Amino acid sequence: AQKVTQAQTEISVVEKEDVTLDCVYETRDTTYYLFWYKQPPSGELVFLIRRNSFDEQNEISGRYSWNFQKSTSSFNFTITASQVVDSAVYFCALLQVFGNEKLTFGTGTRLTIIP
Amino acid sequence: GAVVSQHPSRVICKSGTSVKIECRSLDFQATTMFWYRQFPKQSLMLMATSNEGSKATYEQGVEKDKFLINHASLTLSTLTVTSAHPEDSSFYICSARDWGLTGVSYNEQFFGPGTRLTVL
Repeated sequence: AQKVTQAQTEISVVEKEDVTLDCVYETRDTTYYLFWYKQPPSGELVFLIRRNSFDEQNEISGRYSWNFQKSTSSFNFTITASQVVDSAVYFCALLQVFGNEKLTFGTGTRLTIIP
Repeated sequence: GAVVSQHPSRVICKSGTSVKIECRSLDFQATTMFWYRQFPKQSLMLMATSNEGSKATYEQGVEKDKFLINHASLTLSTLTVTSAHPEDSSFYICSARDWGLTGVSYNEQFFGPGTRLTVL
């Protein structure tokens, strides 16, 4: 069975600080995809990144960066120089490629940026 | 591209009534749509997988007679909450998966904006 763990339930940081959101996953599959989504108060899920299991390169997109380490089954997300608009709930998710192709979501991390 | 809409965005109904939620893929054909439920301050839980032209596959613990899913076309799936009760109050989110759309990633699920259901 697949599982995604986001141990940090809530995080608060002061604006302009850097913050890292942790994600640890479990799967028996060798081929899978990992995702990060942002859910602002409006509720709509905003896609941030997708990474397949064969691509361990870290990625940077503006103030966002992701660190994928298969050895520790982690896919952490860092926001640099946080802004108030970054306040949201962030979900990490794992997609099983073969079989039922279900997305398994972590429990989410509520991030609050304090002005 | 790859836009998914949901209607209505909010609905309030009385206990015992039925509510229909529509999920549409606006600019692509979705052979598969997924329905999720999210209770306040909780994660998204998959309710069912809907394939066009066939019966939906429900997750364990989800009552198929209570949550009726119809995926009659490649762009529309509906979720009907029958005889709704206050415990059905939740945020319902659909997603649609495209196949073969140029420039769109394989296995990508595109999410709708969600429907907030309140049962009084």
